[in-house]
Amino acid sequence: GAVVSQHPSRVICKSGTSVKIECRSLDFQATTMFWYRQFPKQSLMLMATSNEGSKATYEQGVEKDKFLINHASLTLSTLTVTSAHPEDSSFYICSASRANRDYNSPLHFGNGTRLTVT
Amino acid sequence: QKEVEQNSGPLSVPEGAIASLNCTYSDRGSQSFFWYRQYSGKSPELIMFIYSNGDKEDGRFTAQLNKASQYVSLLIRDSQPSDSATYLCAPRAGNTPLVFGKGTRLSVIA
Repeated sequence: GAVVSQHPSRVICKSGTSVKIECRSLDFQATTMFWYRQFPKQSLMLMATSNEGSKATYEQGVEKDKFLINHASLTLSTLTVTSAHPEDSSFYICSASRANRDYNSPLHFGNGTRLTVT
Repeated sequence: QKEVEQNSGPLSVPEGAIASLNCTYSDRGSQSFFWYRQYSGKSPELIMFIYSNGDKEDGRFTAQLNKASQYVSLLIRDSQPSDSATYLCAPRAGNTPLVFGKGTRLSVIA
């Protein structure tokens, strides 16, 4: 069964509004979660690394003030797309590793969130 | 800059044949290697992983790793139309996020 739950699966919002996406690790604690974005026919691009209890680490070119990440608990990370614009329309996917101390353990992905900004 | 190279395909194979997917990576510090399958519009799902040089088999799937050549492959035996998807290779070095290439699109023809 799924080990990472992501919600919502699909959202449509108007330009200028904000959207929050939740990512939960099921039956395990994840001190680190990763947020990816995927545009059509493109590869998954890492946006940021979410660290429980501390600030997220953003990849080059990703605006931290636009994509707010909060990792307030060991099982929940949220990504908020602020003042969304049509170019933010994409497939957002979170991931987590079941065993934080085993760096060779695989990442499990949530089902993704399809964001459409009109 | 960590890079992962895969033939983007599409790789077309007839049903029942063996599909061979290849991947090269640039980071010599990579310790573990993961293969994911991604259906169109869906998130990636883990197929299998390999840590040591050589072959690892799991059902119809066999992963092969050669760290000296920085090469990892995935063989799919008895390919089925349901195997048609994009396959992503992802090396990992320590507690780092996975870096993906564009993946290889596989099409299994019935």
